[in-house]
Amino acid sequence: EPEVTQTPSHQVTQMGQEVILRCVPISNHLYFYWYRQILGQKVEFLVSFYNNEISEKSEIFDDQFSVERPDGSNFTLKIRSTKLEDSAMYFCASSAELETFTWYNSPLHFGNGTRLTVT
Amino acid sequence: AQSVTQLDSHVSVSEGTPVLLRCNYSSSYSPSLFWYVQHPNKGLQLLLKYTSAATLVKGINGFEAEFKKSETSFHLTKPSAHMSDAAEYFCVVSPPNSGGYQKVTFGTGTKLQVIP
Repeated sequence: EPEVTQTPSHQVTQMGQEVILRCVPISNHLYFYWYRQILGQKVEFLVSFYNNEISEKSEIFDDQFSVERPDGSNFTLKIRSTKLEDSAMYFCASSAELETFTWYNSPLHFGNGTRLTVT
Repeated sequence: AQSVTQLDSHVSVSEGTPVLLRCNYSSSYSPSLFWYVQHPNKGLQLLLKYTSAATLVKGINGFEAEFKKSETSFHLTKPSAHMSDAAEYFCVVSPPNSGGYQKVTFGTGTKLQVIP
């Protein structure tokens, strides 16, 4: 069964450094998302992406964050200058199969996550 | 606005006994509801989904959930717990008929412990 893959599984970086988290969504999906889960807290929505542009973002997704689909397969989340409070598990997800796109609810398919540790 | 409440942060059951993980939702419409499971160091795997069809939904690994509109609940059950069921479970709510795009809200999660 196709799956969402994320790399790396664990990233350690120093405060102020830039990080790029990478995701390969399911190939025939149309919508892409980033969520994060700070240790001990809820899974929170960051941003969604459709048709090569951001479709929605939360207040967490400030100017430090950006997303990109640089080619036909990768979907990246960049944090420009990391802060200690950016330490979290970051999940990529995708939804809506191209061939079966209907106005019914297409569930999110998640990757295994990237654990980001900012020191 | 939508929200979901998972009433128990931890549930402990003995192997072979029933599992009940509770979830209540709040929504101004009839939402879509999902249960996801997260095993240690793994991603979020879809267990089952309710999208206004049958109110009793069967999922993978013997889990099922019943949508009860009158109680605004979507509790997850399994008749007999297995050691491999030990994980964290998330109840998730989404607006109905949102098409391919999902703006979901997660519950805080319930950690299930299975005692041999």
